[in-house]
Amino acid sequence: EAGVVQSPRYKIIEKKQPVAFWCNPISGHNTLYWYLQNLGQGPELLIRYENEEAVDDSQLPKDRFSAERLKGVDSTLKIQPAELGDSAVYLCASSFGTSGPTDTGELFFGEGSRLTVL
Amino acid sequence: GENVEQHPSTLSVQEGDSAVIKCTYSDSASNYFPWYKQELGKRPQLIIDIRSNVGEKKDQRIAVTLNKTAKHFSLHITETQPEDSAVYFCAASANYQLIWGAGTKLIIKP
Repeated sequence: EAGVVQSPRYKIIEKKQPVAFWCNPISGHNTLYWYLQNLGQGPELLIRYENEEAVDDSQLPKDRFSAERLKGVDSTLKIQPAELGDSAVYLCASSFGTSGPTDTGELFFGEGSRLTVL
Repeated sequence: GENVEQHPSTLSVQEGDSAVIKCTYSDSASNYFPWYKQELGKRPQLIIDIRSNVGEKKDQRIAVTLNKTAKHFSLHITETQPEDSAVYFCAASANYQLIWGAGTKLIIKP
């Protein structure tokens, strides 16, 4: 079975340009996450979806970032316009849902999309 | 909200020795504590996890211990091998949110 698939793996753009990342989660996984990871740091949550509903987007910079998850499967994350500080790896993860009373269960990550803003 | 602190930020051990990474959390409602391993340039992958109704869990050379009273949990790797070199992240989950530690870079010296 295929894991979480992300594209593109690498993207280099100039500042003020738009960029979009795509994620295909593991089949049957209801929960989808977008994380930002800077070099040498832990993942930082941008947005979490339960099916097609964004249930936690409190850390998403909504002035320039947007996300969608049509039909509760694939998801896209967009940045417009990109800034120099947006250079990072954007990780998508999915999980089956919750496997405990209120916990997230195991997250399965994609390979990530490395963004460089010049 | 939840805050997770992880120590040390870098750990260098001789091959064959043990390594211990410690994390503390602040939210007493946290009930799930996973550990992820991330090799250079690769995705984070779950290596072991523990829930709050258990004090210790082992899987071959790795083990995790949880002290709910003190709000800390630790990762133990015994008989370290070169392939253990990576960054290890702890995390704590409460109310469906997962809060990550800053990571520990583990270096295995030959």
